[in-house]
Amino acid sequence: DQQVKQNSPSLSVQEGRISILNCDYTNSMFDYFLWYKKYPAEGPTFLISISSIKDKNEDGRFTVFLNKSAKHLSLHIVPSQPGDSAVYFCAARGYGGATNKLIFGTGTLLAVQP
Amino acid sequence: KAGVTQTPRYLIKTRGQQVTLSCSPISGHRSVSWYQQTPGQGLQFLFEYFSETQRNKGNFPGRFSGRQFSNSRSEMNVSTLELGDSALYLCASIGEPGQETQYFGPGTRLLVL
Repeated sequence: DQQVKQNSPSLSVQEGRISILNCDYTNSMFDYFLWYKKYPAEGPTFLISISSIKDKNEDGRFTVFLNKSAKHLSLHIVPSQPGDSAVYFCAARGYGGATNKLIFGTGTLLAVQP
Repeated sequence: KAGVTQTPRYLIKTRGQQVTLSCSPISGHRSVSWYQQTPGQGLQFLFEYFSETQRNKGNFPGRFSGRQFSNSRSEMNVSTLELGDSALYLCASIGEPGQETQYFGPGTRLLVL
C-alpha cells in the first residue's frame, strides 16, 4: 500500500516559468513532510519541509503548500531554472516524532527547458 | 560541518557473499537511518538507530542488519546476497529523534552478480 504518492512521473517546464510538483498521502498521522531533490547515483538533497500544523512554507524560490483536508502537498519552484532538472521526492514522517522513518513517494522527474 | 560520508561508494559482490557498508553521520548528530533505493521499489526504509539502539525497522528480511557505535557511526550488513539486493544504499543523519530534517549521504552502489 503506497502511503505517499506522486502521480506524475515526469514534468517539463520552460525556464523562468513555475514548476508545480504534487504529492498525495493517505495517512493522517503523518506530522512532517519534506521535499528532496535527487540526481542519479547520488543521495537526496534536502530542499524544504513543512509541519502538519502549517499550510505554507517558503524558502527562496521554493514554496511548499499543505492541504490537510485533501491530504495533498505541492512544491512550487519559481522561477524554474535548468539546474532544477532532477528527480523530486516528497517524503512523510509519522507518529509525532517518535520515529525518524520517512516514507517516500515514487518521485517526479522535472526537466526545465532553456 | 562535513556532511554524511558513506564507504565504500561502489561495491561488486557475487550471490551468497556478505557485505558491510559504513556511514558516518554529520558531527554532533546521533541518529542514523538507512534506506534502499531500487528502480522498482523506490526509496525504502531499512532501519534507524539512536544512541546505539535500533528504534525502528523496515520490512526487510533478517539478512539485513545494522548497528551503531558509540561515536554514532553506523554499519549495515547484508548476508547471503541475492541479485535483488543490487541497489543504492543511503544513510541519513539526524540530530535528535524528532528533529525534522534528515541529511543524506552520497550512497553506496551495490551490484550483486
